[in-house]
Amino acid sequence: GAVVSQHPSRVICKSGTSVKIECRSLDFQATTMFWYRQFPKQSLMLMATSNEGSKATYEQGVEKDKFLINHASLTLSTLTVTSAHPEDSSFYICSARPGTGTTGELFFGEGSRLTVL
Amino acid sequence: AQSVTQPDIHITVSEGASLELRCNYSYGATPYLFWYVQSPGQGLQLLLKYFSGDTLVQGIKGFEAEFKRSQSSFNLRKPSVHWSDAAEYFCAVISWGKLQFGAGTQVVVTP
Repeated sequence: GAVVSQHPSRVICKSGTSVKIECRSLDFQATTMFWYRQFPKQSLMLMATSNEGSKATYEQGVEKDKFLINHASLTLSTLTVTSAHPEDSSFYICSARPGTGTTGELFFGEGSRLTVL
Repeated sequence: AQSVTQPDIHITVSEGASLELRCNYSYGATPYLFWYVQSPGQGLQLLLKYFSGDTLVQGIKGFEAEFKRSQSSFNLRKPSVHWSDAAEYFCAVISWGKLQFGAGTQVVVTP
């Protein structure tokens, strides 16, 4: 199957700093990638849809200025948590769908665990 | 919008016993349904998916799921669980091009 890679897998940062998480589709191109957030023992909540070459679409309640998403190429999307605070600590997972369709299988990255001190 | 509900938050099963995880969906037409598994601290792995056709879907790791339109269900089954099946299982549906997850079911396997 297709492979999606996230980096870093774990990151610890100080409160007030910014952290960038990368999501790469290794063997396919994806015009759309998705960013999810998962709190401990909870389900995945969709944060935003990353669209190559255009602005991301954020879900209701997600601060777009806090969670900056850039989808500069067909194989890379980045999530930057700006001015991180302890409440931003979470497991962030990206996913990507090959091609341009809207109903095909999504492939998930391994996740990135962010801890803000 | 389409959604899925997983009624069971937590299930404990003995190794070697059968397992069934429930998933109900709300959608008027035929939904695109998925089952994913997540081990602690890991990403998600697709077990199986249903788009159309045969309502009994075979997946990886010996899992299968049956789509039942009359019951709006897509339950996941495994005849004999292994200790390595202990994980979190998520049912999901594509809604407006986005994958929406159920709350998840934690599976604990006892010796």
